[in-house]
Amino acid sequence: NAGVTQTPKFQVLKTGQSMTLQCAQDMNHEYMSWYRQDPGMGLRLIHYSVGAGITDQGEVPNGYNVSRSTTEDFPLRLLSAAPSQTSVYFCASSSSFGVSTEAFFGQGTRLTVV
Amino acid sequence: KQEVTQIPAALSVPEGENLVLNCSFTDSAIYNLQWFRQDPGKGLTSLLLIQSSQREQTSGRLNASLDKSSGRSTLYIAASQPGDSATYLCAVGLYGQNFVFGPGTRLSVLP
Repeated sequence: NAGVTQTPKFQVLKTGQSMTLQCAQDMNHEYMSWYRQDPGMGLRLIHYSVGAGITDQGEVPNGYNVSRSTTEDFPLRLLSAAPSQTSVYFCASSSSFGVSTEAFFGQGTRLTVV
Repeated sequence: KQEVTQIPAALSVPEGENLVLNCSFTDSAIYNLQWFRQDPGKGLTSLLLIQSSQREQTSGRLNASLDKSSGRSTLYIAASQPGDSATYLCAVGLYGQNFVFGPGTRLSVLP
């Protein structure tokens, strides 16, 4: 069971560059989300999706775009990277939006913007 | 706005001790509460999920309680082992599977 897979694990970007963080799950989960984790703070929700074609903003969406064309994949795009986006990014999935179930997290992508 | 705090921020104990990690939240209108473990440089591993209607959940040496009215949850770890060393995160579930996380408690269990 692969679970939630994130790529890459590490990335260094220059200010202004763009990139896509990949997230894939093989559990046929409807709900997927992206969080960022910064030192001394809890994980904060960036964007989430309740199914293919449906996305919405979380607490800290500025500077990030998402789309959900398939159930399995939920990529996170940084259009013009800024040093403030240096963080560890986690993708999560769970089986249903409206049902209280366990959430599964990927291993994270550590992003540094210089 | 829901806010989640965790006390203590860090804890160091000798092997074999029983310990309690605390989580507090400001809004009692929660969907569930989930405790996670995070090892350095790794992702989050779910430990226990407590539904809003439940008072506690147990898994092996772990026991988590939930008191919605007082906005508190505790994670009890019995007979701690060096392998329990990690950061423990409390996450309050809002409707729709979105979570508000606490900053975590960093636990070190010394042999």
